[in-house]
Amino acid sequence: GNSVTQMEGPVTLSEEAFLTINCTYTATGYPSLFWYVQYPGEGLQLLLKATKADDKGSNKGFEATYRKETTSFHLEKGSVQVSDSAVYFCALTVAGGTSYGKLTFGQGTILTVHP
Amino acid sequence: NAGVTQTPKFQVLKTGQSMTLQCAQDMNHEYMSWYRQDPGMGLRLIHYSVGAGITDQGEVPNGYNVSRSTTEDFPLRLLSAAPSQTSVYFCASSWGRVIHEQYFGPGTRLTVT
Repeated sequence: GNSVTQMEGPVTLSEEAFLTINCTYTATGYPSLFWYVQYPGEGLQLLLKATKADDKGSNKGFEATYRKETTSFHLEKGSVQVSDSAVYFCALTVAGGTSYGKLTFGQGTILTVHP
Repeated sequence: NAGVTQTPKFQVLKTGQSMTLQCAQDMNHEYMSWYRQDPGMGLRLIHYSVGAGITDQGEVPNGYNVSRSTTEDFPLRLLSAAPSQTSVYFCASSWGRVIHEQYFGPGTRLTVT
């Protein structure tokens, strides 16, 4: 089956610090990979995505590279802001078959950024 | 566009009561799904639908029913609420043939006492 494992949280950083949130996966077939973000009191929003090996997704200063050889999709940002405080979810989906359209999520990582 | 809307935002039920969580989308998406979010467990798929009249079970379907009579609406029914169903519920939708992004509603926080 498919599964996603994220680094344990919560993560607490000072403003302008470097952020890495690790994500590894197992999947049957060829997955597309995503990072979703959930701000306090809101639903999830797509942050970035990558659909094939070596693709780099990027948005709002965040980046993640689809590494097939290490089955990883780590999220990075060079300089975090207080407004980045949220819960971050790594997720995957596999096209076709019985997994069609189904997102498999990691457990989420809580990020808190202090001024 | 309103996107994906959910009602109610909060609900408290007693064990054994029934209720329906409403979900609607105005983007003409084929694919809709329900997830529950529990601490430390991420989001888990309850039921999903690939189009009007077609539904199927996800990872944790027990205790929940769904139907999809229109493209826009995808209600989730709790037939006899249990404390184990205390959770935050999210509805999501996406284009059926483009599975690369799902759009989520704001969620319903349900407490069963």
